[in-house]
Amino acid sequence: DSGVTQTPKHLITATGQRVTLRCSPRSGDLSVYWYQQSLDQGLQFLIQYYNGEERAKGNILERFSAQQFPDLHSELNLSSLELGDSALYFCASSPTGGTGDTEAFFGQGTRLTVV
Amino acid sequence: GQQLNQSPQSMFIQEGEDVSMNCTSSSIFNTWLWYKQEPGEGPVLLIALYKAGELTSNGRLTAQFGITRKDSFLNISASIPSDVGIYFCAQTDKLIFGTGTRLQVFP
Repeated sequence: DSGVTQTPKHLITATGQRVTLRCSPRSGDLSVYWYQQSLDQGLQFLIQYYNGEERAKGNILERFSAQQFPDLHSELNLSSLELGDSALYFCASSPTGGTGDTEAFFGQGTRLTVV
Repeated sequence: GQQLNQSPQSMFIQEGEDVSMNCTSSSIFNTWLWYKQEPGEGPVLLIALYKAGELTSNGRLTAQFGITRKDSFLNISASIPSDVGIYFCAQTDKLIFGTGTRLQVFP
């Protein structure tokens, strides 16, 4: 158990809908990262938050947004869903925020299926 | 943007064989991480490297931080069926992941 909790584990929704994925980081970790992994693909970095502020942005679509709350949990919002958004979405957390000397730990992921 | 290229893309080996894979980048990094991902699971951190030239072991796994700081290597000795999975390198500035090496071990 990595200490990072993601909910829900599975989500099935229709095209055009909006969903929210939730991540609780390890106790004491200030940084949260979100990744998308499509079938048999690598991990695509979406966005990073550090202590409530956006720190880095990757290939995140405009239809997607995220935030980190004062209690450090994070939510990833996906809207106007398309079939191609079906993927595993992972959250990771780290203590310091990726400034060079840090290790990140992953949750079990949320499997999103858009039908 | 930054890119981490891993090779080989996939490996099919017999149980007991040793495995070598590497990760290269066009940029210099201060830290290299190696992760393993099993099907349907999140990546799990195997080894972290913090210094150029550093060689670190974790059981049958050994990883090295290349002296140029642009590459890293992971070796698995005496492979077993539970080594199956995808191995990713990663760097800690934005936590970008490599393209992955898929390992299949046959008994």
